[in-house]
Amino acid sequence: SAVISQKPSRDICQRGTSLTIQCQVDSQVTMMFWYRQQPGQSLTLIATANQGSEATYESGFVIDKFPISRPNLTFSTLTVSNMSPEDSSIYLCSVAASLAYNEQFFGPGTRLTVL
Amino acid sequence: GQQVMQIPQYQHVQEGEDFTTYCNSSTTLSNIQWYKQRPGGHPVFLIQLVKSGEVKKQKRLTFQFGEAKKNSSLHITATQTTDVGTYFCAGHLMQFYFGSGTKLNVKP
Repeated sequence: SAVISQKPSRDICQRGTSLTIQCQVDSQVTMMFWYRQQPGQSLTLIATANQGSEATYESGFVIDKFPISRPNLTFSTLTVSNMSPEDSSIYLCSVAASLAYNEQFFGPGTRLTVL
Repeated sequence: GQQVMQIPQYQHVQEGEDFTTYCNSSTTLSNIQWYKQRPGGHPVFLIQLVKSGEVKKQKRLTFQFGEAKKNSSLHITATQTTDVGTYFCAGHLMQFYFGSGTKLNVKP
């Protein structure tokens, strides 16, 4: 299993500002993902964070809005840029040994509120 | 659009009653996973099903994968208050698509 930490755990931000969320894993992992979860809703995949290259974004999510870095196999950041109240959500990172056939371990999440 | 549908959205049961949640996909999945999220927590992996018609059990939990690999179910026998939470299926088709989740409430 993997132990994942996220910073910050929660934040309240003003419209138009940006927030960078950090995800740290206690071991090297192949796959890292970023999800968004509205309160009481399901999880939506934002992107796959690729080590040493640009992230792979899902439909509806773009790099300008959600830039992602992954400098090594244990760390990734997600930035929520030019925030609006619609960005208020829980942002979760997850890791897995492979894309399809391994369980995902989720971080504790970052609860973001945009005023 | 939504790739994996999950029902029911909510289920309230008396402790000791059984509970079932169902997932359905319009396309054949390569595999399906199930997660549990406690209130205020993050999703925690329960199990993965890969083979057509596969059935797996974990104590009071029984997981099934349909013959066509398009549907799956999670059945809990004799629920306990510790079963409270939201249960998500996640079907794999190029990426994992999470179902909408079933929120289970168990009355003691």
